[in-house]
Amino acid sequence: GENVGLHLPTLSVQEGDNSIINCAYSNSASDYFIWYKQESGKGPQFIIDIRSNMDKRQGQRVTVLLNKTVKHLSLQIAATQPGDSAVYFCAENRANSGYALNFGKGTSLLVTP
Amino acid sequence: DAGVIQSPRHEVTEMGQEVTLRCKPISGHNSLFWYRQTMMRGLELLIYFNNNVPIDDSGMPEDRFSAKMPNASFSTLKIQPSEPRDSAVYFCASSWGGEETQYFGPGTRLLVL
Repeated sequence: GENVGLHLPTLSVQEGDNSIINCAYSNSASDYFIWYKQESGKGPQFIIDIRSNMDKRQGQRVTVLLNKTVKHLSLQIAATQPGDSAVYFCAENRANSGYALNFGKGTSLLVTP
Repeated sequence: DAGVIQSPRHEVTEMGQEVTLRCKPISGHNSLFWYRQTMMRGLELLIYFNNNVPIDDSGMPEDRFSAKMPNASFSTLKIQPSEPRDSAVYFCASSWGGEETQYFGPGTRLLVL
């Protein structure tokens, strides 16, 4: 039968602009969240993480915001560069399952010159 | 430092054949995770080990799949017999006990004809 692929949300931004990638998580008991970047043909690469006792955490050009009230996570990338083009995944730790993570479906970021 | 190492990077086999995927976690990490990534289902956790012991194998699709971790520096994921629907990219990830941050290998791209 026809193979219907997973339709990823796509965000297209111009080089130099700021990017915001959003993620809704499901488990109100989750206390750890993480963002990964996956370039074509490569494995997911850790970007930044945050614990539930924080609302914001900053890295180099990236900021993660956590809103526990509405179970929402966002990744902000400042001055987006062509090398930022990739699929971005958010993940939360699984309740009652040790250190396993639940991954979201991903958002494709395309940076245009 | 070497990251997670996976082999082979690519595997093409015929339906019914046995496939063995290999993973060497980052030295010192004591949790190891096997994931499968497809366009249809995204990134799925198959099984994970802590201190070489399987903790959660609820994601293993069926009895055709098996995973072992004979020591802290090596794990295998075996599919026997393989089927075309097993075609996917298989990732191994590892983490240090007490931390949820997982580091992924480059993946094995499996094609079952």
